[in-house]
Amino acid sequence: GAVVSQHPSRVICKSGTSVKIECRSLDFQATTMFWYRQFPKQSLMLMATSNEGSKATYEQGVEKDKFLINHASLTLSTLTVTSAHPEDSSFYICSARTGMNTEAFFGQGTRLTVV
Amino acid sequence: GNSVTQMEGPVTLSEEAFLTINCTYTATGYPSLFWYVQYPGEGLQLLLKATKADDKGSNKGFEATYRKETTSFHLEKGSVQVSDSAVYFCALRGSNFGNEKLTFGTGTRLTIIP
Repeated sequence: GAVVSQHPSRVICKSGTSVKIECRSLDFQATTMFWYRQFPKQSLMLMATSNEGSKATYEQGVEKDKFLINHASLTLSTLTVTSAHPEDSSFYICSARTGMNTEAFFGQGTRLTVV
Repeated sequence: GNSVTQMEGPVTLSEEAFLTINCTYTATGYPSLFWYVQYPGEGLQLLLKATKADDKGSNKGFEATYRKETTSFHLEKGSVQVSDSAVYFCALRGSNFGNEKLTFGTGTRLTIIP
């Protein structure tokens, strides 16, 4: 299957700093990428959907100014957590697909810890 | 809105035991149903899927049948192996235009002991 690489796999940052997480499709062009957040013992919650070259669509309750998403190319999307706080600590997962109703491939996730 | 209710874990079984992980859903229209698996340290991988009622998805000895009458998509395997230890997620994708997002269950951690 297609490969989606997410980097870094783990990151620890101080409160008030910003952290960037990258999601790359290694062997296919991803017209759409998704960003999820997963709390312990809870399901993956969709944060936003991004289509290449356009602004991301955020789910209700997700602060777009806090979670900046950029999908500048067909192989790269980034999620920047701005002014991070301890409550932003979580597991963030991206997925990518080539088109509507096609299979979505997932990255391995990023464990963010804000101290 | 769409929702997925999944059997809570963790589930611990002995090797060669029979596995069932229950999954029920709520959705409008005719969603597609999926099981994803997440092995330690890896991303989610599609295990199997079914796109319409009575379809049976199967892969690696796992099976699940799309039951519209009971709104269920239970995952089964006749004889589990240690290598099946992972977290399993049931998910659905809406069928209506503009509602094609994946909705996940909470995940079930499965541990198989030799």
